[in-house]
Amino acid sequence: NAGVMQNPRHLVRRRGQEARLRCSPMKGHSHVYWYRQLPEEGLKFMVYLQKENIIDESGMPKERFSAEFPKEGPSILRIQQVVRGDSAAYFCASSPLKPGDTQYFGPGTRLTVL
Amino acid sequence: ILNVEQSPQSLHVQEGDSTNFTCSFPSSNFYALHWYRWETAKSPEALFVMTLNGDEKKKGRISATLNTKEGYSYLYIKGSQPEDSATYLCAFLNTDKLIFGTGTRLQVFP
Repeated sequence: NAGVMQNPRHLVRRRGQEARLRCSPMKGHSHVYWYRQLPEEGLKFMVYLQKENIIDESGMPKERFSAEFPKEGPSILRIQQVVRGDSAAYFCASSPLKPGDTQYFGPGTRLTVL
Repeated sequence: ILNVEQSPQSLHVQEGDSTNFTCSFPSSNFYALHWYRWETAKSPEALFVMTLNGDEKKKGRISATLNTKEGYSYLYIKGSQPEDSATYLCAFLNTDKLIFGTGTRLQVFP
């Protein structure tokens, strides 16, 4: 059973470009979570999704950030018009059932904005 | 704002030493506390999910206890080995999201 997959592992964007980060949860997991780790900070919750639904996006910046988890395919975290402050490591996790279950983390995508 | 505090921030021990660190969390509206182990350049790896006051969990040389009434959990490592070197994170489940502490960075010297 493959673990949580994220791609790309490293992404470089110039200010103003769009960044698309992908996350494929573990097989059989229908709950996906995105976290961000800014330089010198801990992991911060961004958004919790189930298939085709955003359950909790209380940690998402109000502008430029969006997330989806379509019926088919990976979950996507999209950042429009990136700025230097978006440079961070973005981690995805998945769980089989409710959020209280163990969350299994992917290897992360390190976004660098030039 | 919900706060999860971990102490110490970092710890250096000799191989064979036993060690422990603390996670403090809000004692109201408790659902679960998670412990993760995070090695550099790898993904956080789940260690324990603790839900009941007085819970004690063990995995090899690593164990954890939980006190939900006073809002703390201890993680213990018995006979530390160099391969235990990692950052240990705790996370408090707030309804449907995990609130992470900043971790305790453990370094075990041979």
